[in-house]
Amino acid sequence: DGGITQSPKYLFRKEGQNVTLSCEQNLNHDAMYWYRQDPGQGLRLIYYSQIVNDFQKGDIAEGYSVSREKKESFPLTVTSAQKNPTAFYLCASSPRRTSLNTGELFFGEGSRLTVL
Amino acid sequence: GENVEQHPSTLSVQEGDSAVIKCTYSDSASNYFPWYKQELGKRPQLIIDIRSNVGEKKDQRIAVTLNKTAKHFSLHITETQPEDSAVYFCAARTLMDSNYQLIWGAGTKLIIKP
Repeated sequence: DGGITQSPKYLFRKEGQNVTLSCEQNLNHDAMYWYRQDPGQGLRLIYYSQIVNDFQKGDIAEGYSVSREKKESFPLTVTSAQKNPTAFYLCASSPRRTSLNTGELFFGEGSRLTVL
Repeated sequence: GENVEQHPSTLSVQEGDSAVIKCTYSDSASNYFPWYKQELGKRPQLIIDIRSNVGEKKDQRIAVTLNKTAKHFSLHITETQPEDSAVYFCAARTLMDSNYQLIWGAGTKLIIKP
């Protein structure tokens, strides 16, 4: 069953702790993305990766880090430097955009992080 | 840079009536405009999209229109049903730092009243 899987679904963290959110896809997609979703706001891009071993900062990268060692995996670490980490985090992937496709985003089910 | 504004933030319509959600964008070079639907507790999913060389696209009860001159695009849902209740996001694709990026609207919560 192809898709994109995020874990954990819910996570609680104490202030000052780092936490890593997992994102795995078996769609053979080149690009992967991390978004943050807050109530009343659109999706804000944290980091994205177009190819293995390469990634770029999005609009709100401060306090986050990522790695892309494998095509299938794009984990996100929320560090203690992130001032307001409580949010819903969405991972997405897309095929390489060509003239024949639009690069549709396929989302995971999300991870809800709460900092206590 | 690109900015996408979406209105209204909440829309309540009677079941069977039509719903219209509007988005405006700022970058005239944006060339692709998708709409995603996010049901409560679920992942966003693409429901319809339109490229900049097309003015309108329909898929059963949903349609999207694009006015490039005015830089706005709209989602139209006819004969609304309870399962249409969700948050809808528009987006515009623009070129940033040599990569195409989607810039998102803030979302519209659509409520279908029985």
